[in-house]
Amino acid sequence: DAMVIQNPRYQVTQFGKPVTLSCSQTLNHNVMYWYQQKSSQAPKLLFHYYDKDFNNEADTPDNFQSRRPNTSFCFLDIRSPGLGDAAMYLCATSRDRIEQFFGPGTRLTVL
Amino acid sequence: AQSVTQPDIHITVSEGASLELRCNYSYGATPYLFWYVQSPGQGLQLLLKYFSGDTLVQGIKGFEAEFKRSQSSFNLRKPSVHWSDAAEYFCAVALYGNKLVFGAGTILRVKS
Repeated sequence: DAMVIQNPRYQVTQFGKPVTLSCSQTLNHNVMYWYQQKSSQAPKLLFHYYDKDFNNEADTPDNFQSRRPNTSFCFLDIRSPGLGDAAMYLCATSRDRIEQFFGPGTRLTVL
Repeated sequence: AQSVTQPDIHITVSEGASLELRCNYSYGATPYLFWYVQSPGQGLQLLLKYFSGDTLVQGIKGFEAEFKRSQSSFNLRKPSVHWSDAAEYFCAVALYGNKLVFGAGTILRVKS
């Protein structure tokens, strides 16, 4: 089945230690999104790629970066994780920039 | 400002009872409308969507939603709730090419 895959499902990192989260898709969608979702809150868009064009949300901290080496893969890099970055990180894809398909998420814990 | 309101933070219903989750939006034009469900520790699963046409849309798991333009609402309904429906439900809206805007979510508890 076509899907959005996120690895790992659970990630533990230390305060200030860089971490990379991975997202891959078999849907061949040209748009990929990264969301941060904290407990009991709605997902918050961090940035998205439309093809190779990177679109950053105005309030996304510089600590968060992203790479999209090809259509299928997208990475979220957190350069120096703080305790406030502990959250669920959701990847989503879209073909038409209307309907989005979400992955299962990566739960990040910062010690 | 564009916004999505889910007025109920928590709802508890008995198994087998009917369910309605409310969603109102504030947009200048009719947006694309979605309902997603999220089980604990999981991603978001699309239940149903409205783009145009028939204002009563059917989704997965026995859910339906009705778009009412005059009320700027897109309420989610299910005639008979199952214990497995316990989850958090997010209403979301989008205008073409723009980002998805989520409501704050409604946590559904099902009591036996």
